[in-house]
This record gives sequence, structure tokens and C-alpha cells, in this order.
Amino acid sequence: QKEVEQDPGPLSVPEGAIVSLNCTYSNSAFQYFMWYRQYSRKGPELLMYTYSSGNKEDGRFTAQVDKSSKYISLFIRDSQPSDSATYLCPRLGGYNKLIFGAGTRLAVHP
Amino acid sequence: GAGVSQSPSNKVTEKGKDVELRCDPISGHTALYWYRQSLGQGLEFLIYFQGNSAPDKSGLPSDRFSAERTGGSVSTLTIQRTQQEDSAVYLCASSLAGGFQETQYFGPGTRLLVL
Repeated sequence: QKEVEQDPGPLSVPEGAIVSLNCTYSNSAFQYFMWYRQYSRKGPELLMYTYSSGNKEDGRFTAQVDKSSKYISLFIRDSQPSDSATYLCPRLGGYNKLIFGAGTRLAVHP
Repeated sequence: GAGVSQSPSNKVTEKGKDVELRCDPISGHTALYWYRQSLGQGLEFLIYFQGNSAPDKSGLPSDRFSAERTGGSVSTLTIQRTQQEDSAVYLCASSLAGGFQETQYFGPGTRLLVL
């Protein structure tokens, strides 16, 4: 079983739709969760982070952590074409290195 | 301010040749990471540098891969005797001090194609 599992997509939605992206971890011991966004031909950038103790909202984006801490979701409200990217939910390994899954490709079409 | 920069942006080489990829981290960042992103694969960790400490090389896929960091700043990833399976995007990231949960800032990557 992979440490981080994501549906690779692509997920195609119309502009304005609510998007739900999911991520599953093999280990429930994690308490710190991140979402990175990667535009085509760019490096990933941190979108938001949250802890197992609660959810976090930032503008149109909400990160939600399942109580088991093995399943997290990212919700995007009023999706825009500029949200088209690959979304990654790495976990932290030793020395703070990031352990990634395949990422989910999102396409928001006008 | 300036972010992480990498050069070259693209590199095409022939199988068996050696290549060097360069990373300039954000000024003042002491932690530096190399990752590789192969087509259809997730990013995978290669190597980590923190200050003057011995690097964590646990992610290097073979002894053809090596990296160094001079003066605690610029880093070079070297791939000797390149193989076609080395074709990937090589990404560099830096963080302030390598502390737990510190944000890593990524460069744009070097796209390597081995013919």
C-alpha cells in the first residue's frame, strides 16, 4: 500500500463548481497535513496546511481532516479556470522531507 | 524577493553522458532538498542538505547519482552515465532551517530528457 493515495484524475469541472479532492494515508499517526498546488511546468507551492484537530478555511479553499486522520479533503468553492492544476497532499517524512502521492489533476473549464 | 532558481530549464542528453543540474536556494535558507518527478509518477525525494551536516542521501536511486552543496548555498546534482529512465523533471526546494513542518519552496525544475 502506498503511503499517500490520490485519484490521479483528471477531474474536469465547469467554472463555478464545487470541487472535492481527497487524499488517503496509510498511517493514522500524522497530525500535520498539507496541500500543495502545482501548475503545469512549475514547481509545487504550498496552498494550505492544517492539523488533525480541526478544519481550515482560506478564501475559497477549505481543508478538512477526517477524525481518523487517515483521510483529508480539499474543497474549492466557485472554482475558476485559474484553479486548474495538480493538487498534492504530501506527508512529512524524516528530516522534513515530503513524501508525495501521484497528485490529482484538476481542469476547470469556462 | 527571489525564489529558488534552477538551471538549465531543459536538458537533452544522450544515453551514457554525464549531466549536472544546478539549484540556487532562497538566500538565507540552510535546508535544501532535491526531488524527481517522472512522467506519471509522484515526486520522489532524492537528497537533503542541512547546513554543514552530512546529507541524507537515502533517496538517491543508484550510485550514478550524486549531489554536493558548496558553501552552504548552491547545490549541484550530477547524474553519471545517464540512462533513459533518468528522464524526469528534477526539482529543488529550500526551507529556512529544515525544521519540522517548515514550508519548502520549490524551484521550477529542470526537465531532463535522455535519448
